Amino acid sequence: DTGVSQDPRHKITKRGQNVTFRCDPISEHNRLYWYRQTLGQGPEFLTYFQNEAQLEKSRLLSDRFSAERPKGSFSTLEIQRTEQGDSAMYLCASSLPVSGYTFGSGTRLTVV
Amino acid sequence: DAKTTQPPSMDCAEGRAANLPCNHSTISGNEYVYWYRQIHSQGPQYIIHGLKNNETNEMASLIITEDRKSSTLILPHATLRDTAVYYCIVRVEAGANSKLTFGKGITLSVRP
Repeated sequence: DTGVSQDPRHKITKRGQNVTFRCDPISEHNRLYWYRQTLGQGPEFLTYFQNEAQLEKSRLLSDRFSAERPKGSFSTLEIQRTEQGDSAMYLCASSLPVSGYTFGSGTRLTVV
Repeated sequence: DAKTTQPPSMDCAEGRAANLPCNHSTISGNEYVYWYRQIHSQGPQYIIHGLKNNETNEMASLIITEDRKSSTLILPHATLRDTAVYYCIVRVEAGANSKLTFGKGITLSVRP
């Protein structure tokens, strides 16, 4: 296992389109996190899963955002009707309950 | 989670020790101090964490004051590849609310 994998690395989309990102965590990690990062800021928490259960969602996660983790393995983050303000780096991380996070390299979204 | 305060930036000479300070005066007894770093265009990378004892690993040392209100991350022999944003985070280690909350971090520039 080589770590947390995110796909795609870069995505350019037109405003109003839907986009979906995928995260493959480290296989034995039961926790999976999504963060968003804009230029000059630290990563902001969006949501997290323990196995397939979504345990917490940030208020940043508007109703245009949805995340899933079917069967407690990979996760997807979908943004519907994208807006220019959604342009950011979307980071996924996984962990065991009492350990540090391992982050992926992120998906950079540009909405034009 | 308790908040942390870090200076926005610092620099050091290559080969010298880099001492990165962090204040966490409202830390609770069950909160750990975590350090992550983020090199440009990559996801954050775990460095080290501790509760109250000093910790050392192959990357760095963590010195926590006796009252636990501040800590220092020490990179003993900084290299150009250590140029990054370093985040100091306090976190409850167990339970459903153990997510990492990032601030803006400190930008370390290592000069040749």
